[in-house]
Amino acid sequence: GAGVSQSPSNKVTEKGKDVELRCDPISGHTALYWYRQRLGQGLEFLIYFQGNSAPDKSGLPSDRFSAERTGESVSTLTIQRTQQEDSAVYLCASSEGRGSNQPQHFGDGTRLSIL
Amino acid sequence: QKEVEQNSGPLSVPEGAIASLNCTYSDRGSQSFFWYRQYSGKSPELIMFIYSNGDKEDGRFTAQLNKASQYVSLLIRDSQPSDSATYLCANRGFSSNTGKLIFGQGTTLQVKP
Repeated sequence: GAGVSQSPSNKVTEKGKDVELRCDPISGHTALYWYRQRLGQGLEFLIYFQGNSAPDKSGLPSDRFSAERTGESVSTLTIQRTQQEDSAVYLCASSEGRGSNQPQHFGDGTRLSIL
Repeated sequence: QKEVEQNSGPLSVPEGAIASLNCTYSDRGSQSFFWYRQYSGKSPELIMFIYSNGDKEDGRFTAQLNKASQYVSLLIRDSQPSDSATYLCANRGFSSNTGKLIFGQGTTLQVKP
């Protein structure tokens, strides 16, 4: 596609429910990243995919968070038993590779609100 | 100490002036630096990236990098009201073999007509 696509754009759910967030990277981009942005804050790294494997999961805040990527394309971030502190914008980015000269391009994000 | 620090602002400049946005970082091994612009409610948009000491110019934007002093700045010449946004500084460390970016919390820029 022309850019990184994320869905849904907004998600409101009750505390304790599970949610799935989807990311479609730019076609041909092998590297995919998930970040979280709390209100008024910068972006926090969550997880990195190279192809379908995730060599860096160091940013996942707890075992309630998981992610997968299939077909070296679409990625899904799952949050189980959501808590109010999970409320944030979840941003996905992709790049051609992980090299230092490869800029990351972001999707519009999913705004997650936990009631 | 945060890994990447920015003054949250707001930085207010009149239309047509030069806006100067600054960022410091703690990882001496950082290799590459990025400036993103983020309008309210929107996703970050890449403006510039810089790897070498010195200046890099692109249109009205100039990025400046000083690795010895561990700071990177973004100058916006002839500022326009449409430049009003939050500017995020990010770097990628030498030890990072994943390419993940470390972001500052952003500086809000207001350009007044």
